[in-house]
Amino acid sequence: DAGITQSPRYKITETGRQVTLMCHQTWSHSYMFWYRQDLGHGLRLIYYSAAADITDKGEVPDGYVVSRSKTENFPLTLESATRSQTSVYFCASSESGYNQPQHFGDGTRLSIL
Amino acid sequence: DAKTTQPPSMDCAEGRAANLPCNHSTISGNEYVYWYRQIHSQGPQYIIHGLKNNETNEMASLIITEDRKSSTLILPHATLRDTAVYYCIVMHSGGSNYKLTFGKGTLLTVNP
Repeated sequence: DAGITQSPRYKITETGRQVTLMCHQTWSHSYMFWYRQDLGHGLRLIYYSAAADITDKGEVPDGYVVSRSKTENFPLTLESATRSQTSVYFCASSESGYNQPQHFGDGTRLSIL
Repeated sequence: DAKTTQPPSMDCAEGRAANLPCNHSTISGNEYVYWYRQIHSQGPQYIIHGLKNNETNEMASLIITEDRKSSTLILPHATLRDTAVYYCIVMHSGGSNYKLTFGKGTLLTVNP
C-alpha cells in the first residue's frame, strides 16, 4: 500500500532555475491536487486535475505549470523559481471530486536561494 | 464554505479519550464536516467526515449535533502519536470547489 509519494523530500535551488516536483499515487484516484503551505497562509491550492489531460487553476497558479499525461502522476514545475516560491509543497489525491476526502503525500520542502 | 471555530489547544492524558470540539454555526444543508490532522513536518492526514449522522471508523468517531451547528471528534484512546494539529473543515466539494481551507486548528498534546 504505497499510497501517494512525493519526490524529492527536500530541494534547494537558485532563483531562475527550473525545478520539477513529482507526485505519484497508486490508488488510481481521478483527482489530484497541488498545495503549498506557508506560515500565516495555511494551505493554498495551486492546481488540480480531474483526470488525465484535464487540469485547472487553483488559488495561486502563477509561476507554476502542471501536466497529467498519466492518471498516477501529477508533476508540478516551477519554470523560473523565485524566492517567494520557497515553501512546503503537498500533493493530494481523491477518488472523485464529490465529497471524497483528499489524501496527502508527505510533502517537498523547497528552498530557493 | 462555512467557517469553523476550534479551541487553539487542548491536552489529553495518554489512554484517555480526546474530545475535540468544533463550531460551524453557518453550515448549510449540503456541506460536510471533515476532520484532518497534521503531525509536525508531515502531510495532512484525513481522519473522518460526515454530513449529519454520527460516523465511526478505525481512527475516530464524529458526533454531529442534530442542528449541525457543531461537532466533536473523539479519539477513543489517545496515544502520544496522536499529538498533532487537528483541523475541522466544512466543505461542499464538487462543481469547481475542491480547495481545502485549513483554519488554525486545535493543537492536541497527549501527555504520558
